[in-house]
Amino acid sequence: RKEVEQDPGPFNVPEGATVAFNCTYSNSASQSFFWYRQDCRKEPKLLMSVYSSGNEDGRFTAQLNRASQYISLLIRDSKLSDSATYLCVVNDFGGYNKLIFGAGTRLAVHP
Amino acid sequence: DVKVTQSSRYLVKRTGEKVFLECVQDMDHENMFWYRQDPGLGLRLIYFSYDVKMKEKGDIPEGYSVSREKKERFSLILESASTNQTSMYLCASSLSAQGAFFGQGTRLTVV
Repeated sequence: RKEVEQDPGPFNVPEGATVAFNCTYSNSASQSFFWYRQDCRKEPKLLMSVYSSGNEDGRFTAQLNRASQYISLLIRDSKLSDSATYLCVVNDFGGYNKLIFGAGTRLAVHP
Repeated sequence: DVKVTQSSRYLVKRTGEKVFLECVQDMDHENMFWYRQDPGLGLRLIYFSYDVKMKEKGDIPEGYSVSREKKERFSLILESASTNQTSMYLCASSLSAQGAFFGQGTRLTVV
């Protein structure tokens, strides 16, 4: 089983739609969680951290469910500029800050 | 702004050559990482370092070594380049259990 698993997509949605991505992780001792965004042929960029109580940043909402070992990202009112690959990242804190990346979920927002 | 700089954007090397990829960060981060990214495989961790002169193997260390003589610099070495090491190489740095920041990537082609 992969340490971090994501649905690869693609998710094709119209502008203005709400879209949600899920991600599951295997190590129950993981302590930090993040969502990254990666545009084509560019480096990944930190989108937001994910906190136990859930957190929001504008149109983006992240949730963590420790019992079920999954995290989610909700994007409301999708924009064309949201088209990218979204990477789920887990800090596999086995004594070191080792960041494990999911393979990513591709989002395509169309007019 | 965190700045992570990789020495080259594009490199072409011959099979059997020794290849050095350099990465420098300017934010005094203790953690540094080398990943490679291939289509369909996502980001895979090669090596990481949590302190000067300290290193840990990631998931795919074979054929690679690293050096961290100074806190700001983390080098990836391909001892004898092979065609299956053709890939995008991404360096990242992070502070404690926080998210990581990436350099722009080095696209290495081994011929």
